Amino acid sequence: AQTVTQSQPEMSVQEAETVTLSCTYDTSESDYYLFWYKQPPSRQMILVIRQEAYKQQNATENRFSVNFQKAAKSFSLKISDSQLGDAAMYFCASSYNQGGKLIFGQGTELSVKP
Amino acid sequence: DTAVSQTPKYLVTQMGNDKSIKCEQNLGHDTMYWYKQDSKKFLKIMFSYNNKELIINETVPNRFSPKSPDKAHLNLHINSLELGDSAVYFCASSQDVVAYNEQFFGPGTRLTVL
Repeated sequence: AQTVTQSQPEMSVQEAETVTLSCTYDTSESDYYLFWYKQPPSRQMILVIRQEAYKQQNATENRFSVNFQKAAKSFSLKISDSQLGDAAMYFCASSYNQGGKLIFGQGTELSVKP
Repeated sequence: DTAVSQTPKYLVTQMGNDKSIKCEQNLGHDTMYWYKQDSKKFLKIMFSYNNKELIINETVPNRFSPKSPDKAHLNLHINSLELGDSAVYFCASSQDVVAYNEQFFGPGTRLTVL
């Protein structure tokens, strides 16, 4: 069974600074995918970034990038130049080809200080 | 245009009642999901449908019965509501069951059972 663990319930960052959110996962699958979703106070879940496990190159989306360490089963999210709008709950998730279901971590609540 | 919509957004009801939550997507996707987010913000898959067929049922009590009348709709009916059913229920859709696909989430339905 796949599991996803986020060990940081809360994180805080100063506006314009960089913050890294941690995520580890466990799977016996060889083919899987990893995601970061954002849930702002509005409750709307939004995809931030995703990574295919077979790709060694780390995914990047504007100010968001990941550090994917396959051997260590680690998938951290780096947010550069943090903005007030980045304040949200961030969920790490994994998926593999069994119906496409997402398996979520516990979430990390990120606050951004002006 | 709302991609994935849910009705109602809030639902307050008494223990023992039966209630339904409706979900519609206008993205032309083949696959739809129901997730439950508990009071600790933990998200877990409940059901997945692909082209109106059930493909995932994550050991959810029989009191929960999903129904997909067509590809664009996935409704959730809950019988004999219990206090522990209080949660936010999210509907989501994706292009198909391929694990890498982005899942688009609805705004969630906050169910409170008194």
